[in-house]
Amino acid sequence: GDSVTQMEGPVTLSEEAFLTINCTYTATGYPSLFWYVQYPGEGLQLLLKATKADDKGSNKGFEATYRKETTSFHLEKGSVQVSDSAVYFCALSSNTGFQKLVFGTGTRLLVSP
Amino acid sequence: GAVVSQHPSRVICKSGTSVKIECRSLDFQATTMFWYRQFPKQSLMLMATSNEGSKATYEQGVEKDKFLINHASLTLSTLTVTSAHPEDSSFYICSATRGPPTYEQYFGPGTRLTVT
Repeated sequence: GDSVTQMEGPVTLSEEAFLTINCTYTATGYPSLFWYVQYPGEGLQLLLKATKADDKGSNKGFEATYRKETTSFHLEKGSVQVSDSAVYFCALSSNTGFQKLVFGTGTRLLVSP
Repeated sequence: GAVVSQHPSRVICKSGTSVKIECRSLDFQATTMFWYRQFPKQSLMLMATSNEGSKATYEQGVEKDKFLINHASLTLSTLTVTSAHPEDSSFYICSATRGPPTYEQYFGPGTRLTVT
């Protein structure tokens, strides 16, 4: 079945450092790919998405490119801030749009001043 | 917009009792709501999908008689854990979607259930 694998955390960075959180997937067909972020005490929020190969999703300085050849969707940010500290989830959907999301285990990011 | 709330945020119950968790879409009508379960250091696992006015569709391996889902209105879905046992202790998260065109899911903050 479909699955998502993302790097274990926590990832600890200093402010302004470069961030990469790896995400790879296994799916039949051509899934849509997502990154969600969960801030402390809040629900998951959609951070960015990509629906086809070579698409780049971007939001709030974060980017991820849908790489079909490597089945990856790595999350990157050039300069993290303390406010980026959160848990990040990679997810896919093989159905239309957002139906039946399959999540990775989440990666906690801790950014220190 | 697109705020989803859950109540309670934390609940402790005794083994053998039942507990109800509410999921509400506060500022939109949700055609579909989803219930997830999250174990420590594991991913969110979809338990069931519910549409207003119809029976929930459960994922394989989820006991529908144990996890009762009622989606009585377009803004409220409830999950009742019946005859709870310690192994039911977990973090339960709901989400809601407006439907087309994007079907984006909006997530609640989760409910921590502890069964003693």
